[in-house]
Parts: sequence; structure tokens; C-alpha cells
Amino acid sequence: DIQMTQSPSSLSASVGDRVTITCRASQSISGYLNWYQQIPGRAPKVLIYAASSLQSGVPSRFSGSGSGTDFTFTISSLQPEDFATYYCQQSYSSPLTFGGGTKVEIK
Amino acid sequence: EMQLVESGGGLVQPGESLRLSCVVSGFIVNNNYMNWVRQAPGKGLEWVSTIYSGGDTYHADSVKGRFTISRDSAKNTLYLQMNSLRADDTAVYYCARDVNPYYYMDVWGKGTTVTVSS
Repeated sequence: DIQMTQSPSSLSASVGDRVTITCRASQSISGYLNWYQQIPGRAPKVLIYAASSLQSGVPSRFSGSGSGTDFTFTISSLQPEDFATYYCQQSYSSPLTFGGGTKVEIK
Repeated sequence: EMQLVESGGGLVQPGESLRLSCVVSGFIVNNNYMNWVRQAPGKGLEWVSTIYSGGDTYHADSVKGRFTISRDSAKNTLYLQMNSLRADDTAVYYCARDVNPYYYMDVWGKGTTVTVSS
């Protein structure tokens, strides 16, 4: 199974800050890496797919990069509605696996 | 509008069974890869099962032999039959559609809660 290691597990940031989350796969997954946002009590929502493609309707302040084993997710200017937990997920091979999540909290 | 609505969750005792349903609207369940993903209280996301458009099915090791994913084309509905339930199966269960070719989950239901406790 491919292990996905996300860091940090939590962070505190202010509105307007630039936020970066990293995700490392235990083996190469090419570009099969997706990022989801989950607000408490709600279902996850895909923001970035295929490592760097922005899902339709998602604001451009969200971006992703990377390939192989190392990936980065960035929020260029944190907004109040962005306080949530973010998960990476590999779709390269079964079993599909998620990172442990990064909780973004208000500083 | 594409929509997924789960139902069938509840409180059951260890060893009992439950069948979850996910009614699909706005697209055809048989033409898509469909997943079940769960989230235990206070924990992260865990993939449970996938059914491919061709009918092949895959299950996580933690549920293999106990859970079965299936679908009904006439009802445009996805199912998860859960047998021999254990306390560590307690979670919110989401159904979600996969998008080819990158297999990301673009449509999710709101989830249904399964609690396994004596």
C-alpha cells in the first residue's frame, strides 16, 4: 500500500497569510495526487486534482504542484472560509489512500 | 444537478449487518466508478470500496470479506452491504463518484452515520 504523509498536521494562520501544506508518497505516484477540503460536519470537496489542476469553480488562490513522491498545496491568501481540514489522496493505485490531514486554524 | 444521497445508517450491535444505500441523480451509476469512503469520529478519511463501471469491485483489507459494494442500474443506486460489523467500523460513510482518468472524487454525498456498539 502507498502511504501518504502530510505535514504539518495542524497550523495556525491569519487571514491574508500564504499557507503551504506538503504531502509525500511512500513511492512514486506520478501526478495522481488530489487535494480535498473538509469543513467540520460536511463532506469533503475536491480542490485540486492531478497534482496541479484546479477543479471547476474553485478559487484561484488554491494551487498545487509536484510529481513523483513530493507534492505541495498552497493557499496564496487565506480567507475566513478557508479554515478547514485539508487532505491529500493518491489515486495511482488501489488501495486509494489519504494523508492524515492538515487542520488550518485561525491565529 | 448531480447529487448523491446516502441512507441506511444507524446503531447496531457488534456482529450485526447493515446495508447502506446511495441514490444517484444527475448521472448514471453504471457508467461511473463509485466509491465508499468513511470517517471515524475525530479521524481522517479512509477509502472503503470501489466499483468500476465494468463491474469489478475492490475493498480495503480492513473490510474485505465482510463488506460488499454493489449497484442497481434500475434504481440508479449504489449499495454497501456490511456484515459482521465491529466497533471500529463506527464512522460516517460517504459515497463519492470518481472522475476518469485521474480518479479524483468530484461528487460526494452528505454521509450516513453507522454506530456499532453494545
